[in-house]
Amino acid sequence: DVKVTQSSRYLVKRTGEKVFLECVQDMDHENMFWYRQDPGLGLRLIYFSYDVKMKEKGDIPEGYSVSREKKERFSLILESASTNQTSMYLCASSPPDNEQFFGPGTRLTVL
Amino acid sequence: GEDVEQSLFLSVREGDSSVINCTYTDSSSTYLYWYKQEPGAGLQLLTYIFSNMDMKQDQRLTVLLNKKDKHLSLRIADTQTGDSAIYFCAESKGSNYQLIWGAGTKLIIKP
Repeated sequence: DVKVTQSSRYLVKRTGEKVFLECVQDMDHENMFWYRQDPGLGLRLIYFSYDVKMKEKGDIPEGYSVSREKKERFSLILESASTNQTSMYLCASSPPDNEQFFGPGTRLTVL
Repeated sequence: GEDVEQSLFLSVREGDSSVINCTYTDSSSTYLYWYKQEPGAGLQLLTYIFSNMDMKQDQRLTVLLNKKDKHLSLRIADTQTGDSAIYFCAESKGSNYQLIWGAGTKLIIKP
């Protein structure tokens, strides 16, 4: 079974802190994605990566950056967390042109 | 533009059928997906349909696709309390890694 894991289920940070969210997949998938999920808005793509060291902006990249140094790991970075970044963050991975497999999500609260 | 639309809520009685509807705008989509998100969890693929199919059945699930109207539906027969979840519709494009997501329909089961 494909497994996508995220480093934390719940995280509480203060405004201005630097936040790292880690995602690891164990199926050698080329593609990895970071979404945020907010009530009534569904999933919005922040960034995705189709190969090591490759990244593409999604629909809402502002205030975020990503890193993919190894194929299995895709990190989301909030350089200076703000209260409007309080959300559920979902990581996913997929082979090319195929279904996405999701991690359990990280609920981030920024105070 | 690209848009996938769903109702935000659906309420059904236990034992009845649930029909969750989705409309999309891009006629070039090759796959259409239904994902399920249970409370506190990530998303799991429920079923998918190729764009050249009209219907797909899998146990209690029936997916209907009307390409002319760009309408996708998910029918859950004999709805159970374990079906309580948010159901997301998503469309993919053949040459793109991304999925276009609906906002999700929360299925509420009444006893």
